[in-house]
This record gives sequence, C-alpha cells and structure tokens, in this order.
Amino acid sequence: RKEVEQDPGPFNVPEGATVAFNCTYSNSASQSFFWYRQDCRKEPKLLMSVYSSGNEDGRFTAQLNRASQYISLLIRDSKLSDSATYLCVVNTDSWGKFQFGAGTQVVVTP
Amino acid sequence: DGGITQSPKYLFRKEGQNVTLSCEQNLNHDAMYWYRQDPGQGLRLIYYSQIVNDFQKGDIAEGYSVSREKKESFPLTVTSAQKNPTAFYLCASSDPGQNTEAFFGQGTRLTVV
Repeated sequence: RKEVEQDPGPFNVPEGATVAFNCTYSNSASQSFFWYRQDCRKEPKLLMSVYSSGNEDGRFTAQLNRASQYISLLIRDSKLSDSATYLCVVNTDSWGKFQFGAGTQVVVTP
Repeated sequence: DGGITQSPKYLFRKEGQNVTLSCEQNLNHDAMYWYRQDPGQGLRLIYYSQIVNDFQKGDIAEGYSVSREKKESFPLTVTSAQKNPTAFYLCASSDPGQNTEAFFGQGTRLTVV
C-alpha cells in the first residue's frame, strides 16, 4: 500500500464551479501536511500547508482529518488557471522526509 | 533572490555513461533532497542529506550517488548502473522542523539516447 494515495482524476470542472478531492495517508505518526501544485513539466510549488483546524487561502480550503487519516482540498469559483496537478505531501518526521502522492489532475473548462 | 538552482535543464546521456546533475541553494537550508518523477507517478526519494558531509539513501537509491561537501550544494550522479535513468529529476531543500515545506528547483529532464 502506498503511503500517500490520491485519486488521479482528471476532475473536469466548469469555470466558476467548486471541486474537492481527498488524499489518504497511511502513517498515523505523520506530522505535517501540504498541498502542492504542479504544472505540466514544471517543478511542484507550495499551494498551502494544512493545519489541524483547517485553513483557507482565498478560494482554496484545506482540511485535515487525523482520525480517518485524510486531507482534502476544495477549490471554489474555479478559474482556467487552476488547471494543474495537485500533489498531496505528508511529512513523516521533523527532518522533512516528505512523502508525495501521485497527484490529482484538475482541468477547468470554459 | 533566494532559491534553488538546478542545472542543466535538459540532459542527454548515452547508455553506459555517468552524468552529474547540479543542485545549489542559497536558502541556508540544512536539508536537501533528490527526487525522481516518472510520467503519471508521484515523486520518489533518491537520496537526502540533513547536514554537510552526511547523506542517507531514499527509496530508490540504487544506481545513484551523491555528495554533500558544502551546505549549498548537493550534486546527484546518475551512474551506468541505473537501468532506467530517463526521468524528471527534482532537487529540494527545507529547514528541519514541523510544518516547514520543501522548496524545489526547476528540475532536470534526463534522457538516455
């Protein structure tokens, strides 16, 4: 079983709509959680960290459910520029040994 | 501007050759990492280093070697022993501690010809 699992998608989303997807992790001792965005053939870039109480950054909302061991990302009012692959990243120790999911592809259509 | 620089951006290698990918950071981060990404797959950890002159194998270290002689630099050598080296290689760095994210270089796309 992979340590971090994501639905690969693609999620085809009309412009202006809301899309949400989850990521599950297997290590209950995981300490830090992140969502990264990766555009085609580019490096991943941090979208947002995920805090225990949940957090929001503009149109993006991230939630953490430790009991069920998943994190979620919700994108409201989707823009064409939101089309990308979203990587779930889990940090299993304080030295930042990050585990990456394979990514969820989001395609926003006009 | 602080950041991570990888070079070259594209690299072509003949079978049987060793090649070295460069990674330099000026973020003063202690930890540095090398990942490999294949199409449709997540990033897989090759090697990581928590401090100068020390490094650890990741999940797929076979056929690769690294050095960490300076805090700023963490070069990766892809040896001829790596059977399927064609991939996108990403270098990252981070500060130790909880809730600190990884910062990535722009990546090197290696192709065996």
